[in-house]
Amino acid sequence: GAGVSQSPSNKVTEKGKDVELRCDPISGHTALYWYRQSLGQGLEFLIYFQGNSAPDKSGLPSDRFSAERTGGSVSTLTIQRTQQEDSAVYLCASGSPGTGGEKLFFGSGTQLSVL
Amino acid sequence: GNSVTQMEGPVTLSEEAFLTINCTYTATGYPSLFWYVQYPGEGLQLLLKATKADDKGSNKGFEATYRKETTSFHLEKGSVQVSDSAVYFCALKSDFGNEKLTFGTGTRLTIIP
Repeated sequence: GAGVSQSPSNKVTEKGKDVELRCDPISGHTALYWYRQSLGQGLEFLIYFQGNSAPDKSGLPSDRFSAERTGGSVSTLTIQRTQQEDSAVYLCASGSPGTGGEKLFFGSGTQLSVL
Repeated sequence: GNSVTQMEGPVTLSEEAFLTINCTYTATGYPSLFWYVQYPGEGLQLLLKATKADDKGSNKGFEATYRKETTSFHLEKGSVQVSDSAVYFCALKSDFGNEKLTFGTGTRLTIIP
């Protein structure tokens, strides 16, 4: 596709269940970010992948959160034993660093609701 | 580490008013600076950027000048429209290796007719 694709667009789950959120970045983009946006709040950085380098996981809020990026392309964000405070929109973005600075393209997000 | 400090919102203005949203940063080296915008019901998108000191980024009537001496990248528009209502995010990207893009907390702007 032409843009960053995220799935599902909406996810409702019960407290304590595990969820997986998927991100398909734009082909050829080496950088991939996950952010979280709570209602009316700013962007909370979660994790950053850049090429083959070790990911920057400094934003993951707890060890219940993990993410992987397979083959330098698709990424999956996993939240184990979900809690109500995990409810938010999870945004994925991809980009390629280069001259002129990095421009990120954002997906539409996954709205996660934990009941 | 790198950080971005943005003007607290929300900001409410009348149509045709002058807009300034302040943004200051802390970074090592010579970062690139960005403003991203999130319109209601839409995804985040790049509004403008500047990659070196004294550069001016501009788009859709918005401007921001990269001021290294004051470490600022304030967003301005001379005459706002209702359609400018959105959340605006200032961001920076260090020129060091694999440093991530760092966002400010966002400023919600509402323009009333």
